[in-house]
Amino acid sequence: GESVGLHLPTLSVQEGDNSIINCAYSNSASDYFIWYKQESGKGPQFIIDIRSNMDKRQGQRVTVLLNKTVKHLSLQIAATQPGDSAVYFCAENWAGTALIFGKGTTLSVSS
Amino acid sequence: DAGVIQSPRHEVTEMGQEVTLRCKPISGHNSLFWYRQTMMRGLELLIYFNNNVPIDDSGMPEDRFSAKMPNASFSTLKIQPSEPRDSAVYFCASSSGLARKNEQFFGPGTRLTVL
Repeated sequence: GESVGLHLPTLSVQEGDNSIINCAYSNSASDYFIWYKQESGKGPQFIIDIRSNMDKRQGQRVTVLLNKTVKHLSLQIAATQPGDSAVYFCAENWAGTALIFGKGTTLSVSS
Repeated sequence: DAGVIQSPRHEVTEMGQEVTLRCKPISGHNSLFWYRQTMMRGLELLIYFNNNVPIDDSGMPEDRFSAKMPNASFSTLKIQPSEPRDSAVYFCASSSGLARKNEQFFGPGTRLTVL
């Protein structure tokens, strides 16, 4: 079946560094992608999304990059803070289907 | 705004018992989603409703699982009989608009343990 996976299950960074979380998707028909952040004991929280007609989108301290050629998605977090520590999920969607979530990358930020 | 409300937050039950999870979506949202999260399988969509009507239930694992949405402000997910492999965190999410591409707001989840 179709799957969305993550290259690394865990990422450890120092406070102030930039973080890059990667995601690979398998369905070339996917036309919408979302990044979610999940803190311990809470539900996933929307961070940023991007449609397939774009290759970059910026938010506050976050940037999502989409490379459709290699079916790769990344989330960049600038000046990572301890409050950014969480599990990050990418999710993909294509017409007529539900969001498919990856298994998540744990981001650990140390002071 | 209280956000999506789920109850109970924690449920411990014995194998064979019936379990009912409850969800109140954000007022004004007309799409509601039930997800299950485990370490092995990650976050899986079980079923989603639009305007109280089930649209896609292909993720419901088996007949032991059923979901209802009797009105716009309430939904239930029932497992009968429950089994240990049903142990997971169950999330409810809601969104406005018809398309799944609208932002989904997640509730805090119900942690289910079946002994």
